[in-house]
Amino acid sequence: QKEVEQNSGPLSVPEGAIASLNCTYSDRGSQSFFWYRQYSGKSPELIMSIYSNGDKEDGRFTAQLNKASQYVSLLIRDSQPSDSATYLCAVRWNFGNEKLTFGTGTRLTIIP
Amino acid sequence: DAGVTQSPTHLIKTRGQQVTLRCSPKSGHDTVSWYQQALGQGPQFIFQYYEEEERQRGNFPDRFSGHQFPNYSSELNVNALLLGDSALYLCASSPGGLSSYGYTFGSGTRLTVV
Repeated sequence: QKEVEQNSGPLSVPEGAIASLNCTYSDRGSQSFFWYRQYSGKSPELIMSIYSNGDKEDGRFTAQLNKASQYVSLLIRDSQPSDSATYLCAVRWNFGNEKLTFGTGTRLTIIP
Repeated sequence: DAGVTQSPTHLIKTRGQQVTLRCSPKSGHDTVSWYQQALGQGPQFIFQYYEEEERQRGNFPDRFSGHQFPNYSSELNVNALLLGDSALYLCASSPGGLSSYGYTFGSGTRLTVV
């Protein structure tokens, strides 16, 4: 069974520091990778997508993908209290398989 | 620009009853996927509809069924409700039959089975 694994946390980070979230996946042939943010009681919101090895930056967020090691990470720089949420990693396995498989999420708390 | 809309937002049903949840995709999106999210868990894929057909299905029993209409809106039906069906049900839409660019999620329907 294809799986996506995340450290469930909770992860606590001081305000202004870098938060690092990690995700591993089981299928080496996976195509697309996504990070979603989910506030308590709300629906997931797409914040980053990455498709190729390396880093992708968008504002304070950086996604990193290493297909050889089968992991994807999300860095949040200058963490703000508003970043406190659960972060979900999602993987699209291969072309023609259009569902996304989600991890269980990592709860992040930014401490003022 | 309307995003994904779901109705109702909250629902309380009795064990054994049937429920229908509704979803309108984001403008320009033609593919609708349904997910179940239990408390403290990640979303679990139920099924995906494209061109009015169920294209892909997750590991959910036949009690879960759906439909997509010509205007791309969709319904999720659950029969013979169990207590374990209590969850947040999320509708997600994407364009062109693909999920390459990720989904846009609706705000969800919170189903409680008592």
